[in-house]
Amino acid sequence: AQKVTQAQTEISVVEKEDVTLDCVYETRDTTYYLFWYKQPPSGELVFLIRRNSFDEQNEISGRYSWNFQKSTSSFNFTITASQVVDSAVYFCALSVLASGGSYIPTFGRGTSLIVHP
Amino acid sequence: GAVVSQHPSRVICKSGTSVKIECRSLDFQATTMFWYRQFPKQSLMLMATSNEGSKATYEQGVEKDKFLINHASLTLSTLTVTSAHPEDSSFYICSARAGGISTEAFFGQGTRLTVV
Repeated sequence: AQKVTQAQTEISVVEKEDVTLDCVYETRDTTYYLFWYKQPPSGELVFLIRRNSFDEQNEISGRYSWNFQKSTSSFNFTITASQVVDSAVYFCALSVLASGGSYIPTFGRGTSLIVHP
Repeated sequence: GAVVSQHPSRVICKSGTSVKIECRSLDFQATTMFWYRQFPKQSLMLMATSNEGSKATYEQGVEKDKFLINHASLTLSTLTVTSAHPEDSSFYICSARAGGISTEAFFGQGTRLTVV
């Protein structure tokens, strides 16, 4: 069975601080996909990144960066110079091929990030 | 990215009535759609997976007679909560996959259902 653990329930930082959101996953599949989504207070889920299991290259997108390490089954997300608009719940998700032929994502519990001005 | 529109965004209904939530892929054909339920401050729990033209596959513990899912076309899936009760109050989110097993799923805006 697949599992995604986001150990940090809530993180509170002051604007301009860097913050890292942890994600640890479990799967026996060798092919899988990892995602990060942002859920602002309005509720919609915003896709941030997808990474497949064969691509361990880290990625940077503006103030966002992701560190994928298969050796520790982690896919951590760092926001540099955080801003108030970054306040949201962030979900890490793992997608593996289900018996029905679809890749179905399993979500972590989410980390609530609060950025204070 | 691809757009998934979910309607309504909020609905309040009386206990015992049925509510239909629509999920539309606006600029792509969604061969697979997923329905999730999210309780306050909780994660998204997958309710069911539906492929166009076939019956939905429900997750364990989800009552298929209570949560009716129809995926009649490549751009529309509906979730009907039948005989709603206050405990059905929740945030329901759909997602749609454009096709190809490796593509990410795009999410709708969610529907806040309140049963009074």
